[in-house]
Amino acid sequence: AQSVTQLGSHVSVSEGALVLLRCNYSSSVPPYLFWYVQYPNQGLQLLLKYTSAATLVKGINGFEAEFKKSETSFHLTKPSAHMSDAAEYFCAVSGPAGKSTFGDGTTLTVKP
Amino acid sequence: DAGVIQSPRHEVTEMGQEVTLRCKPISGHNSLFWYRQTMMRGLELLIYFNNNVPIDDSGMPEDRFSAKMPNASFSTLKIQPSEPRDSAVYFCASSPDRGPNYEQYFGPGTRLTVT
Repeated sequence: AQSVTQLGSHVSVSEGALVLLRCNYSSSVPPYLFWYVQYPNQGLQLLLKYTSAATLVKGINGFEAEFKKSETSFHLTKPSAHMSDAAEYFCAVSGPAGKSTFGDGTTLTVKP
Repeated sequence: DAGVIQSPRHEVTEMGQEVTLRCKPISGHNSLFWYRQTMMRGLELLIYFNNNVPIDDSGMPEDRFSAKMPNASFSTLKIQPSEPRDSAVYFCASSPDRGPNYEQYFGPGTRLTVT
């Protein structure tokens, strides 16, 4: 069985500040991990994915995530928040059959 | 490239009516997923097809829900009869293949309101 836990349903940062969104996973097999972003009234879109090639994964819009097996974590970061980053972010783990389990989501608010 | 296409984008119906949601996956993608998103329950996987065959329908709430994929370019999710608790945003997503390393491409969603 696989699962993800996103710590913090709401995160608020100031524009220009570091963004850190936390995700911990549970998986009985080597995990494939994803971060998706959902803007208001839109579907989810892929930010980045980890497929075991490199532990530090770079995605779109300046986001990156680091896979830490010892901590079973895949936290998402961005050095400097922009107003346009305000959205809901979902961490997901994919199983052998391609079925993904999504976290509950973290809503990021960026204050001017 | 056209992404995943869903129709209608918005649907308002009365309790007891039949509702049909439609999805066209990205051409060449072999896997298709239907999700439901609500504030209370978050994002729930309803059913998952691979090569037009249902692989996992354990998330389908009850017999009122049914899904079909008659060909590689079309899928429907039907609710009959609809109830107010079915109000949600329904997403269709497709993926290039069945493996765990493939990301999912989501459509814009259908916002369903049942009164």
